[in-house]
Amino acid sequence: QKEVEQNSGPLSVPEGAIASLNCTYSDRGSQSFFWYRQYSGKSPELIMSIYSNGDKEDGRFTAQLNKASQYVSLLIRDSQPSDSATYLCAVPDRGSTLGRLYFGRGTQLTVWP
Amino acid sequence: GAGVSQSPSNKVTEKGKDVELRCDPISGHTALYWYRQSLGQGLEFLIYFQGNSAPDKSGLPSDRFSAERTGGSVSTLTIQRTQQEDSAVYLCASSLGGENEQFFGPGTRLTVL
Repeated sequence: QKEVEQNSGPLSVPEGAIASLNCTYSDRGSQSFFWYRQYSGKSPELIMSIYSNGDKEDGRFTAQLNKASQYVSLLIRDSQPSDSATYLCAVPDRGSTLGRLYFGRGTQLTVWP
Repeated sequence: GAGVSQSPSNKVTEKGKDVELRCDPISGHTALYWYRQSLGQGLEFLIYFQGNSAPDKSGLPSDRFSAERTGGSVSTLTIQRTQQEDSAVYLCASSLGGENEQFFGPGTRLTVL
């Protein structure tokens, strides 16, 4: 059973601040890592994917991956109230259920004006 | 292009009735996954299809649950003799297979009275 752990939060930041979300995973051989955003009552939306060590930036979002430490993070710069959601870290299975996602329990982010 | 679609968006049924939930994946995606999310809970994997191969049913919670995928595209999840504990949002996702990015549909909210 693969494990994906997230700092459960909830996390509350003021508008304009940097929100930092963290995730660790148990399968040392994992190669793909995803961040999903889930608004209340909605389905998960893929916002970032990362495959190589280092940083990957997309607009206000930066994903950071350190495979040696089995750690992946998501930074949200200039946080907006519209970023308020639950953020899910996901790692796909490499075994018999290839691609099946293992999710962390999510971090609930609130950005207050 | 069109994303993953699911129908119905909401389904209310009486305990003991059978229900069918439909998923239409992104065109060209060979892998299809069903998950469910109970209120306030994480995502639970149910079943995985890769192309026309036999599905991996390892996540199905009981033999009342079954799924099929016709022509390697549309999938139907069937729950027989529904129970109140089956109430949840049923989510379908598709991908190009392997550890590629996975995209979710809007979900079907099932309520068993």
